[in-house]
Amino acid sequence: KAGVTQTPRYLIKTRGQQVTLSCSPISGHRSVSWYQQTPGQGLQFLFEYFSETQRNKGNFPGRFSGRQFSNSRSEMNVSTLELGDSALYLCASSLDSGSGTDTQYFGPGTRLTVL
Amino acid sequence: AQSVSQHNHHVILSEAASLELGCNYSYGGTVNLFWYVQYPGQHLQLLLKYFSGDPLVKGIKGFEAEFIKSKFSFNLRKPSVQWSDTAEYFCAVLPGANNLFFGTGTRLTVIP
Repeated sequence: KAGVTQTPRYLIKTRGQQVTLSCSPISGHRSVSWYQQTPGQGLQFLFEYFSETQRNKGNFPGRFSGRQFSNSRSEMNVSTLELGDSALYLCASSLDSGSGTDTQYFGPGTRLTVL
Repeated sequence: AQSVSQHNHHVILSEAASLELGCNYSYGGTVNLFWYVQYPGQHLQLLLKYFSGDPLVKGIKGFEAEFIKSKFSFNLRKPSVQWSDTAEYFCAVLPGANNLFFGTGTRLTVIP
């Protein structure tokens, strides 16, 4: 079974621009979560989508948004980019069986550099 | 608020040495616990997980972890490390919602 895929793998943008990142979950997985990884702050939860609805949200400004499509694929968008948004953005998918014991599987990430 | 503490930021060991990485969490309810590993240039991979039952869980590549509820700890262990274990290790807590709380990570360097 194919793993979580993320595109693009690398992005370079300038301040003020916006960016869209894409994530395809493992087949059959219905929940997609996004995380930001930086050397200073570590791994931080951005948001989670399930059935095309945002179900959980972390403590990030409104410039960070996302959506999920009917096939469970997800996109996240960052508007008005700032230098501090430079990070590795990770997507994780899980089955969401309703048991509360699901494991999240991570993609390779998108490395975003803001100049 | 939930938090996860990994006290060792960087651990350097020689091959064949034993490893123990500490992880403590703060959350009063039922939690699911995980250790993830990130090898250089690779993505986060699940090492092992604890949901319930036997508090000693075994993972891939000879790793194991012990959940001690009274100490809010989930320490990772390996009796004999190899050079290929050089990586960053993250402890994570899933307190219910699909929102993993990660520790800051421990970088392990194994010297051949």
